[in-house]
Amino acid sequence: GNSVTQMEGPVTLSEEAFLTINCTYTATGYPSLFWYVQYPGEGLQLLLKATKADDKGSNKGFEATYRKETTSFHLEKGSVQVSDSAVYFCALSAYSGNTPLVFGKGTRLSVIA
Amino acid sequence: GAGVSQSPRYKVAKRGQDVALRCDPISGHVSLFWYQQALGQGPEFLTYFQNEAQLDKSGLPSDRFFAERPEGSVSTLKIQRTQQEDSAVYLCASSLAQGTLSGNTIYFGEGSWLTVV
Repeated sequence: GNSVTQMEGPVTLSEEAFLTINCTYTATGYPSLFWYVQYPGEGLQLLLKATKADDKGSNKGFEATYRKETTSFHLEKGSVQVSDSAVYFCALSAYSGNTPLVFGKGTRLSVIA
Repeated sequence: GAGVSQSPRYKVAKRGQDVALRCDPISGHVSLFWYQQALGQGPEFLTYFQNEAQLDKSGLPSDRFFAERPEGSVSTLKIQRTQQEDSAVYLCASSLAQGTLSGNTIYFGEGSWLTVV
């Protein structure tokens, strides 16, 4: 079945450090890939997405590239801020109109000033 | 409303009690999803509605779980005879178009935190 594996946290970084959160997936066909973020006390928000191989999703300084050859969708940011502290979820959706999102377990990021 | 609204935000239930969790999706959104998120885990799919039709309920963990969306807008997730393992955050999400097609953004509510004691 479809599944997502992401690096376990928590991850603690100093402000302006480089961030990588690894995500790999298993899926049949050609899934769409997503990163969601959950800030403290808030609901899940879509951060970025990519719908086909070699696509790069980007938003708020975060980037992730859909790598079919390595079945990966790693999240990166060049310089993190304290306000980026949150839980990040990698997710996939198989290419079907009614297929639900499959999420990873989440990675908690804490950025300290 | 401006976003997906869920109520109650927090619920403590005694084991064996029935609970009902409500979701108000964004107005006009066709698709509605329920997810269960246990502590320290990612959300897991429970069920999906397209308008009033429940097209997928494969994620419901037992026949104690029941969801409905009778008029294609508000949805209720009902859990009968709650057990401790039902303690989790229940997330509702909605989207304008069908399912999770490319370009279809899914919006999540803040969740209903259920604790069964």
